[in-house]
Amino acid sequence: DTGVSQDPRHKITKRGQNVTFRCDPISEHNRLYWYRQTLGQGPEFLTYFQNEAQLEKSRLLSDRFSAERPKGSFSTLEIQRTEQGDSAMYLCASSPHSSGNTIYFGEGSWLTVV
Amino acid sequence: AQTVTQSQPEMSVQEAETVTLSCTYDTSENNYYLFWYKQPPSRQMILVIRQEAYKQQNATENRFSVNFQKAAKSFSLKISDSQLGDTAMYFCAFMIFPGAQKLVFGQGTRLTINP
Repeated sequence: DTGVSQDPRHKITKRGQNVTFRCDPISEHNRLYWYRQTLGQGPEFLTYFQNEAQLEKSRLLSDRFSAERPKGSFSTLEIQRTEQGDSAMYLCASSPHSSGNTIYFGEGSWLTVV
Repeated sequence: AQTVTQSQPEMSVQEAETVTLSCTYDTSENNYYLFWYKQPPSRQMILVIRQEAYKQQNATENRFSVNFQKAAKSFSLKISDSQLGDTAMYFCAFMIFPGAQKLVFGQGTRLTINP
């Protein structure tokens, strides 16, 4: 069990460019989450997958953001036309199916938009 | 609205001392879990302890214990015999069930253990 893996760990991009982050959850975890964390704040929920189905999206997830989880394994989070306000840590997490199970986090992907 | 409030932005204690981190939350739901997560400088969020709201007994994990007061919606974390490795950001969070199992986090408390 290698834990939740995220790539890249750091990304610097110019405003207006598109970026994509990848998350590989713990194997056999069918729930996958994306959170966003800005400096000095706790993580905020963005979206949630159960297997390949995206079941919930936060209002924080504007139409410039899109997340996918093809085949119910890894997930990608794409941000189009990045803005400086998108600068944050993007955390991926996964958990087994049963209700109340512990959610395991990855180390996160830092995005800086310049 | 469901919120979590951590009123102590920063705390600092000497190694081997006991420290208590405060957390209050607000929800109208009856079925939920409460968590304390630790985020060391390496940034990976690690679960410290969890509490089922339907259980009256306070959870303990080695040097970590909680004081869960459901009526007051309070969930404090006590760290006994603190160690240098306990230095981290600590986040209180809750999760309603059944449902998406999404966590609602507080703003965090930066804890520093001094040698």
